[in-house]
Amino acid sequence: AQTVTQSQPEMSVQEAETVTLSCTYDTSESDYYLFWYKQPPSRQMILVIRQEAYKQQNATENRFSVNFQKAAKSFSLKISDSQLGDAAMYFCAYRRRGGGSNYKLTFGKGTLLTVNP
Amino acid sequence: EPEVTQTPSHQVTQMGQEVILRCVPISNHLYFYWYRQILGQKVEFLVSFYNNEISEKSEIFDDQFSVERPDGSNFTLKIRSTKLEDSAMYFCASSEMTSFGELFFGEGSRLTVL
Repeated sequence: AQTVTQSQPEMSVQEAETVTLSCTYDTSESDYYLFWYKQPPSRQMILVIRQEAYKQQNATENRFSVNFQKAAKSFSLKISDSQLGDAAMYFCAYRRRGGGSNYKLTFGKGTLLTVNP
Repeated sequence: EPEVTQTPSHQVTQMGQEVILRCVPISNHLYFYWYRQILGQKVEFLVSFYNNEISEKSEIFDDQFSVERPDGSNFTLKIRSTKLEDSAMYFCASSEMTSFGELFFGEGSRLTVL
């Protein structure tokens, strides 16, 4: 069974600084997707960034980028130029590729990010 | 922008009572899901639903749980006889029929069982 581990329950960063959130996972599959979801207080989870395991290039979305290390099964999220609106719970998630009728996600426990002005 | 909506946002119930949580997925989506998160724990998969039937369910999703798409727009989760350990945040999600299949989540329904 796949597992996702986020070892940092809480992190904090100063506004405009950079922060990295860690995620490791375990799977026997070779082809899969990895995701970071953001959940602001009392709001729904929204997708921040995704990485396809067959792609060696790290995904980037504006200020958000990942460091995907397939051999180490590591998938960290870097947030550059942190903004107050980045404060949220961040979830790392895994899905195997080619789900057919099922796109089930396996989540980590989350990292609560605080952004200090 | 279309979004997944869930009602109620918070429900308090007595142990043993039946609860129905409602979700309106995004209209052109074909896959529907329920997840739950007990306070301080991981977001856990409960069930996925496609083509009017359950496509996968977890060990958590026992006979006390059921899902239904009664009218082509709503997607409901029913807990027949609630237990204290059912207290959690329940998230509905939906996705399109694509190879990637990004999940769009609702804001969640908080269930408190007393």
